[in-house]
Amino acid sequence: QKEVEQNSGPLSVPEGAIASLNCTYSDRGSQSFFWYRQYSGKSPELIMSIYSNGDKEDGRFTAQLNKASQYVSLLIRDSQPSDSATYLCALRPTRGYQKVTFGTGTKLQVIP
Amino acid sequence: DAGVTQSPTHLIKTRGQQVTLRCSPKSGHDTVSWYQQALGQGPQFIFQYYEEEERQRGNFPDRFSGHQFPNYSSELNVNALLLGDSALYLCASSSPERQENSPLHFGNGTRLTVT
Repeated sequence: QKEVEQNSGPLSVPEGAIASLNCTYSDRGSQSFFWYRQYSGKSPELIMSIYSNGDKEDGRFTAQLNKASQYVSLLIRDSQPSDSATYLCALRPTRGYQKVTFGTGTKLQVIP
Repeated sequence: DAGVTQSPTHLIKTRGQQVTLRCSPKSGHDTVSWYQQALGQGPQFIFQYYEEEERQRGNFPDRFSGHQFPNYSSELNVNALLLGDSALYLCASSSPERQENSPLHFGNGTRLTVT
């Protein structure tokens, strides 16, 4: 089982809709979770960090963490064409300093 | 406040050659991690440097080596380049405070093409 699993997509949503991106992980002891956005040909950009079970909101973005079910999700409200990018789920496993492990990413397409 | 800077931005090398990539961390950060990202894949961890020592290493051969300097900047060296080494190489730095929760901040990356 991969450490971090994401559906590669593409996930297509109409402009103004809610985009829901999901991620599951195998290490039950993982503590820190991150969502990064990556535009084509560019480097990853941090969107959200979440460390506790529940929801964390920042503007149009909401991260949700459920440690019992080992999944983390990202909701994007009022999706805009500029949100079209690959979204990378990442986590810091229990063991090992600061190594951060990434999923393969989900490509999001927001259709105008 | 300068973010993470990497150089060069693009590089074209021939199989068998050697390459050195450079990274300066964000101000206030002391830990540097290097990642390789192939097309369509997520970043893969190469290694991490802290206090001028390699603290952790991913599943990469010894052809990949690195160094961290007293000013926290870092280099990634790849010897005997293979076609499969063509990728985007990402440098990321992180804060020394609350290290378990500190996110990575990435530079713009170096696009390496091996022909």
